Amino acid sequence: TQLLEQSPQFLSIQEGENLTVYCNSSSVFSSLQWYRQEPGEGPVLLVTVVTGGEVKKLKRLTFQFGDARKDSSLHITAAQPGDTGLYLCAGAPGANSKLTFGKGITLSVRP
Amino acid sequence: DAGITQSPRHKVTETGTPVTLRCHQTENHRYMYWYRQDPGHGLRLIHYSYGVKDTDKGEVSDGYSVSRSKTEDFLLTLESATSSQTSVYFCAISESGSGKGKNIQYFGAGTRLSVL
Repeated sequence: TQLLEQSPQFLSIQEGENLTVYCNSSSVFSSLQWYRQEPGEGPVLLVTVVTGGEVKKLKRLTFQFGDARKDSSLHITAAQPGDTGLYLCAGAPGANSKLTFGKGITLSVRP
Repeated sequence: DAGITQSPRHKVTETGTPVTLRCHQTENHRYMYWYRQDPGHGLRLIHYSYGVKDTDKGEVSDGYSVSRSKTEDFLLTLESATSSQTSVYFCAISESGSGKGKNIQYFGAGTRLSVL
């Protein structure tokens, strides 16, 4: 099993602050995905990164795939209460592999 | 939003009883998945299907069976429910089961199952 370690596990910040969270592995992944899950709902895809070093932006969210394709980061600028939720990263080790999910990062943004 | 409906949304049952959860999709996607989500464990794959009557085991398949007789429906059965199967169960669908960046999964809203 290819493990994805997410950190920190919990994060509580004030509205307007910036934050960065991480998804790390000792294994190489062909691609990584980030999902956000709100209470009582299923995860929703935010982004997929496939190329080492790739950076993708989604409004105030910036996603980066590590050069060696073993890790990824999510940076949120000027966090808002609407960013509150569980952030999951998921990776496929190979072209024919099923997704493996990290345990998630619980983010709380206080007004 | 992807057309995925899970039923029931909540269920309370007793140890030893059979339970069937249903996932219905309107997207005509080939792949369907059942996950369970537990605190401290994240999302873990139970079973998946890559076509009608084509299924395979995931990471935590013991105690579960699945069936897919139609493209749109994927059933998860707990033959004899145990307290360790108390969890939130999610169904997901995808057009592709693999491929670099192509295994994008869309999730249902989940079923909260309590086994007493």
